[in-house]
Amino acid sequence: AAGVIQSPRHLIKEKRETATLKCYPIPRHDTVYWYQQGPGQDPQFLISFYEKMQSDKGSIPDRFSAQQFSDYHSELNMSSLELGDSALYFCASSWGTGSGANVLTFGAGSRLTVL
Amino acid sequence: EDKVVQSPLSLVVHEGDTVTLNCSYEVTNFRSLLWYKQEKKAPTFLFMLTSSGIEKKSGRLSSILDKKELFSILNITATQTGDSAIYLCAGNTDKLIFGTGTRLQVFP
Repeated sequence: AAGVIQSPRHLIKEKRETATLKCYPIPRHDTVYWYQQGPGQDPQFLISFYEKMQSDKGSIPDRFSAQQFSDYHSELNMSSLELGDSALYFCASSWGTGSGANVLTFGAGSRLTVL
Repeated sequence: EDKVVQSPLSLVVHEGDTVTLNCSYEVTNFRSLLWYKQEKKAPTFLFMLTSSGIEKKSGRLSSILDKKELFSILNITATQTGDSAIYLCAGNTDKLIFGTGTRLQVFP
């Protein structure tokens, strides 16, 4: 069965550069969530989208932005990268948020290293 | 193949009851075991467990990991209606392997 696809799997950038992470949800899933997990840290919720609209916002820095496109894939854009942005970024998808909680399916994650 | 199994799939209790949710896992390159609570939005992180036998506690919730037997439990005491949610357990390798979740419903 198709899973949540994230790309790239690994990314190395230098400080002040820009990075874009992509997430392709499971077909027919309409909700995407982004999480950030730093080394040895708890995962932190960043942002979520439902039907291409932002549905919830967590601890996403102002330097980051995200959107969900018409085909439901999502992109996380990170600018002016800092060393502290080095983390595993994973996204998850689910079907619907308004009608009740549905189990999330997570992608394998994108590991960003900022040098 | 990596897998995480949660039980029960569904649980219905009255307020004030104590519940125990179970999670067994078989994952390669295991790093930690995570518990999440999911309501009508993004899941809320509850616990991350890395060491056996050390209980983590947050209010009425507590969790413990047994790395020898490859399982974890999540206890909720004196349940409240606000505890109604899906509780997710995940094995952490270089990605999260989630179980199917336990749907808990707490009635007044």
